[in-house]
Amino acid sequence: QSVLTQPPSASATPGQRVTISCSGSASNIGSNYVMWYQQFPGTAPKLLIFTNNQRPSGVPDRFSGSKSGTSASLAISGLRSEDEADYYCATWDDGLSGRVFGGGTKLTVL
Amino acid sequence: EVQLVESGGGLVQPGGSLRLSCAASGFTFSSNWMQWVRQVPGKGLMWVSQINGDGSSVYYADSVKGRFTVSRDNSKNMLYLQMNRLRVDDTAVYYCASDLLILGGDPRDYWGQGTLVTVSS
Repeated sequence: QSVLTQPPSASATPGQRVTISCSGSASNIGSNYVMWYQQFPGTAPKLLIFTNNQRPSGVPDRFSGSKSGTSASLAISGLRSEDEADYYCATWDDGLSGRVFGGGTKLTVL
Repeated sequence: EVQLVESGGGLVQPGGSLRLSCAASGFTFSSNWMQWVRQVPGKGLMWVSQINGDGSSVYYADSVKGRFTVSRDNSKNMLYLQMNRLRVDDTAVYYCASDLLILGGDPRDYWGQGTLVTVSS
């Protein structure tokens, strides 16, 4: 059972917008920055979003992050087939004194 | 170019020990937090441990506390994870990862390719 709750799956057709949620609590999302990762099978995770809504260079602006209270979201607009991957949210948990990840969301591009 | 290369994974019996290593290059290793994250094949990511730049501050996930020890040798740009009293549920790919690095004005973190640890009799 992950400390951060994500839907296990999401799907949409090419060109559509999809949003992946990440729900936490006051001790994690409520008081710390959120990061989002993209992972393809057999490869290491890749950072998509840091400090809630910032993108590293090279990450398309189709990817955006937001945070409100104890929840965060990753939005992907203009969906492409190559966006089909697993997505994870992550943050620090002050109560656990450790980093926590969401359970991951498998995105399918129909 | 930043590189993180893990080694030391393999097959070990329950109750056994293994030491993972991570060779870092391309950044000022001694100034940065480093972490270990693991992933059971086909499952999600789980943070294992992290250590600050001079090794004076360490954190562990509850599931490995008292069994795993993270350390670093800044003279060699090496990160380690000593894993003792291994259990079947420690079986996973173990990744070495950096904290957010700001190189050339571009913040990002870096991950190794992972090393597979299999705990089985």
